[in-house]
Amino acid sequence: DVKVTQSSRYLVKRTGEKVFLECVQDMDHENMFWYRQDPGLGLRLIYFSYDVKMKEKGDIPEGYSVSREKKERFSLILESASTNQTSMYLCASTRRGQGGNEQFFGPGTRLTVL
Amino acid sequence: GQSLEQPSEVTAVEGAIVQINCTYQTSGFYGLSWYQQHDGGAPTFLSYNALDGLEETGRFSSFLSRSDSYGYLLLQELQMKDSASYFCAVRGTGTASKLTFGTGTRLQVTL
Repeated sequence: DVKVTQSSRYLVKRTGEKVFLECVQDMDHENMFWYRQDPGLGLRLIYFSYDVKMKEKGDIPEGYSVSREKKERFSLILESASTNQTSMYLCASTRRGQGGNEQFFGPGTRLTVL
Repeated sequence: GQSLEQPSEVTAVEGAIVQINCTYQTSGFYGLSWYQQHDGGAPTFLSYNALDGLEETGRFSSFLSRSDSYGYLLLQELQMKDSASYFCAVRGTGTASKLTFGTGTRLQVTL
């Protein structure tokens, strides 16, 4: 059974804290993604990675950074958390090329920044 | 860039058929996907269309017209468990199978 896991389901942090969100996939997928989901706005892409140590900005990268040191792990970092980063964060992965039509999502991390 | 439009809410009766439309504007198009998301759950893949026409998977079908920049998801024999949000997403022509999602359609199935 394919699986994408995220380190926490719920997280509460204070403004200005550095926050790490971890995502691990066991499908040997090349591509990994971080989205945030807010009511009425759908899923918006923050960053993605198509290989180890490779990363590209998505549509809303400001205030975030990422790290991909191993193929199975993709981390999202909030350098200095702010209240407008309170959101649901979803990680996804997919195979490269033709097999990349289906993205597999993790269960999400609901982050609250106070 | 990419932008997608879909209705925000649709209500239908159990056993009926419902169609959720999606129109898109894109600078590079590879295909259109549909995802389902139940409240509190993760999005799950339903279908993908790269070519014009209808793709059928059980009670769900998805249609694409590339010339009209339009697609739809058709749900037949609606069941209560189909109450969920449905997202269309465009796969662009760049690297990494990147998707741009619509804002989602909330489907409420009633008795």
